[in-house]
Amino acid sequence: DVKVTQSSRYLVKRTGEKVFLECVQDMDHENMFWYRQDPGLGLRLIYFSYDVKMKEKGDIPEGYSVSREKKERFSLILESASTNQTSMYLCASLDRWGQPQHFGDGTRLSIL
Amino acid sequence: AQSVTQLGSHVSVSEGALVLLRCNYSSSVPPYLFWYVQYPNQGLQLLLKYTSAATLVKGINGFEAEFKKSETSFHLTKPSAHMSDAAEYFCAVSDQSSARQLTFGSGTQLTVLP
Repeated sequence: DVKVTQSSRYLVKRTGEKVFLECVQDMDHENMFWYRQDPGLGLRLIYFSYDVKMKEKGDIPEGYSVSREKKERFSLILESASTNQTSMYLCASLDRWGQPQHFGDGTRLSIL
Repeated sequence: AQSVTQLGSHVSVSEGALVLLRCNYSSSVPPYLFWYVQYPNQGLQLLLKYTSAATLVKGINGFEAEFKKSETSFHLTKPSAHMSDAAEYFCAVSDQSSARQLTFGSGTQLTVLP
């Protein structure tokens, strides 16, 4: 079974801090994704990566950046956290042959 | 561009009753369609997927969905609800030419009443 591991289940940070959310997958998947989940809005794609050092913007990239230095790891970075970034963040991975995406358990981030 | 509409943000059924969760999609190219389930404080788990083979798709936990191109629908059903089915359900679409990206609906919270 594919395992997607997000480093923290719950995280509390302060406004203006730089925040790192880490995601690791163990199936050598090429593609990795970061989503944000808010009530009534479903999941919205922030960024995705289809290879090491490659990244593409999703639907809501503003205020976020990403890093993929190794194939198994995909990091989401909030450069200067703001209260409107309080949300659930989900990471997913996908192999080159297509769907489905496999999800981690999520990180619930609170910005105070 | 693709989009997904899930009708009903909250659905309540009695234990043993039929579960019907509605999903309509919009896609200019042949779609792949998915249903995911999310239990409290967990990530998303794939229930079933349609990838242009049989139009009636069977998934885990007794769920199934039927792809109806003429109605642009992919509704999720289960004949008899269990208490353990209480969760949030998401419908998602991707296009077959670029199967990487998923577009999700806003989700339906299913409550099962005893």
